Amino acid sequence: SQTIHQWPATLVQPVGSPLSLECTVEGTSNPNLYWYRQAAGRGLQLLFYSVGIGQISSEVPQNLSASRPQDRQFILSSKKLLLSDSGFYLCAWSPAAGGQWEQFFGPGTRLTVL
Amino acid sequence: AQTVTQSQPEMSVQEAETVTLSCTYDTSENNYYLFWYKQPPSRQMILVIRQEAYKQQNATENRFSVNFQKAAKSFSLKISDSQLGDTAMYFCAFNTGANSKLTFGKGITLSVRP
Repeated sequence: SQTIHQWPATLVQPVGSPLSLECTVEGTSNPNLYWYRQAAGRGLQLLFYSVGIGQISSEVPQNLSASRPQDRQFILSSKKLLLSDSGFYLCAWSPAAGGQWEQFFGPGTRLTVL
Repeated sequence: AQTVTQSQPEMSVQEAETVTLSCTYDTSENNYYLFWYKQPPSRQMILVIRQEAYKQQNATENRFSVNFQKAAKSFSLKISDSQLGDTAMYFCAFNTGANSKLTFGKGITLSVRP
């Protein structure tokens, strides 16, 4: 069966510091991968998605970047965090072909920028 | 543009009773999938139920069922015999293709009262 992992689970970082959040998927090949951000009590904002290694599409211009160095690894980064980067970050995957087009989510990372 | 509207920000229901969560959407596509996701206090996003647009029969999953009205672009979720563990935020979403992006509503917070 497929599983998706995210780490760290919780992170507190000062303004101006770098960021690296990692997401890995097990039990499937060539998945589509997604990064979302959720502000407190709000809906989900799609940040990046990837249909293959090295292929990243950005949805919202911002202080963040994403990379996919391996088939089942998706990394969210920032060189200098802003207060507005605080939030709950969710990684998700979906089958590239077949399936029923749903996305499966990881447990999330709670990021607080102080 | 593709949009999902969840007009009720909050709802409350007595344990063991039935509650219906509303959702409307807009798309010019003819084939798509619709989903309801649940986000409990742990914030893990869990897929509750899915419906393919060209299937007329409403999907059911145990206590969860949908009322899909394609012409009206309406996709409501009915929860029967509500349980305390159903307390969560519920998101309506749809997708128009395997490599397309999920479009989410803003969510509704459901509280089940003992």
